[in-house]
Amino acid sequence: GAGVSQSPRYKVAKRGQDVALRCDPISGHVSLFWYQQALGQGPEFLTYFQNEAQLDKSGLPSDRFFAERPEGSVSTLKIQRTQQEDSAVYLCASSSSGQGLGGELFFGEGSRLTVL
Amino acid sequence: AQSVTQLGSHVSVSEGALVLLRCNYSSSVPPYLFWYVQYPNQGLQLLLKYTTGATLVKGINGFEAEFKKSETSFHLTKPSAHMSDAAEYFCAVSANSGYSTLTFGKGTMLLVSP
Repeated sequence: GAGVSQSPRYKVAKRGQDVALRCDPISGHVSLFWYQQALGQGPEFLTYFQNEAQLDKSGLPSDRFFAERPEGSVSTLKIQRTQQEDSAVYLCASSSSGQGLGGELFFGEGSRLTVL
Repeated sequence: AQSVTQLGSHVSVSEGALVLLRCNYSSSVPPYLFWYVQYPNQGLQLLLKYTTGATLVKGINGFEAEFKKSETSFHLTKPSAHMSDAAEYFCAVSANSGYSTLTFGKGTMLLVSP
């Protein structure tokens, strides 16, 4: 597609449910990032992939969060046993450049997760 | 490690007035600096970026920013605000060597009144 596509756009989960959020980056983009944006805050880094390799997962807040990109294109962010504090917008971004950020990041519209 | 401070969670201007959004950064290595804009229910869009070279950077929609190393600042300006500029603006920093992620500020909401 022309841009970064994320689905679902909106997800309501009951506390304790597992959720999966999908990101379809721009075709051919090497780098893929996940960010978490809480209400009224700036995006905070979660994890980074270069092709299928997860090079940095230092931002994942707990072991309930898991991300994968098995074929180096589509990525899934999974949150197990959701908690209310997981409510946020989850942003995916991709870039044509590898290491370093001289290249531009292209962001999707985000997946808004609400945990009741 | 890097960090970003955006002064003012909300800035209000009249249409046609100067826009000034402040950003100060902290970085242990020379930085790359970015401004992104976010319209409601949309993703972030890059306005402009500083990597190396000229310290005055021009971006889309008439915005520009100047990298001032001595002040560790990267303030965003536009000479004349339009109603369509109303949005949230995020300043971000990354290291300019090796692998680095973007670290964002908390954002500044720009309100434009007629």
